Amino acid sequence: AQTVTQSQPEMSVQEAETVTLSCTYDTSESDYYLFWYKQPPSRQMILVIRQEAYKQQNATENRFSVNFQKAAKSFSLKISDSQLGDAAMYFCAYRSAYNNDMRFGAGTRLTVKP
Amino acid sequence: GAVVSQHPSWVICKSGTSVKIECRSLDFQATTMFWYRQFPKQSLMLMATSNEGSKATYEQGVEKDKFLINHASLTLSTLTVTSAHPEDSSFYICSAAEPHHRGGETQYFGPGTRLLVL
Repeated sequence: AQTVTQSQPEMSVQEAETVTLSCTYDTSESDYYLFWYKQPPSRQMILVIRQEAYKQQNATENRFSVNFQKAAKSFSLKISDSQLGDAAMYFCAYRSAYNNDMRFGAGTRLTVKP
Repeated sequence: GAVVSQHPSWVICKSGTSVKIECRSLDFQATTMFWYRQFPKQSLMLMATSNEGSKATYEQGVEKDKFLINHASLTLSTLTVTSAHPEDSSFYICSAAEPHHRGGETQYFGPGTRLLVL
């Protein structure tokens, strides 16, 4: 079974600075998808960024980018120019290309200091 | 982006009653919807996968007679918590899969339903 590990329960960043959230996963599959979701205090899960495993190019969405290292099974999220509104729980997720299973990491709580 | 609604947003009920939660994809057709449960300060745990027109697939340890799922159309799935007990109190989240190119579906989440059973 696939597992997703987020080793940082909490992270803190100064407003306007850059922060990187770590995520590793374990799988024997060759084709899959990786996601970062944000869950603010409202508890609404919001898709931040998505990466297809077959793509070598790292996905980017405005201030959010990933460092996808397939061989190392690592999928970190970089948030540039951090804003107060970025404060939330961030979940890394793995989805198999062969079924609908999506597995979430335990989450990282990000605090942004003004 | 794709929008998923969930209703109600919160519900308080007496022990022994049944509660129905609706999940709707508002601007896309979702062949597959998912139901998750989230305990405080924990991650999301998949309860079941719901496919339109067929029976739901339940994760190990989830009682299918307790958590009834119906996926009547491509935009609506319902979760009914039958004979609810205090231990069923939790935050329930649904998601709907929007087909992506190359068959990779992205899940979009509803705002969640907070259930409190007294």
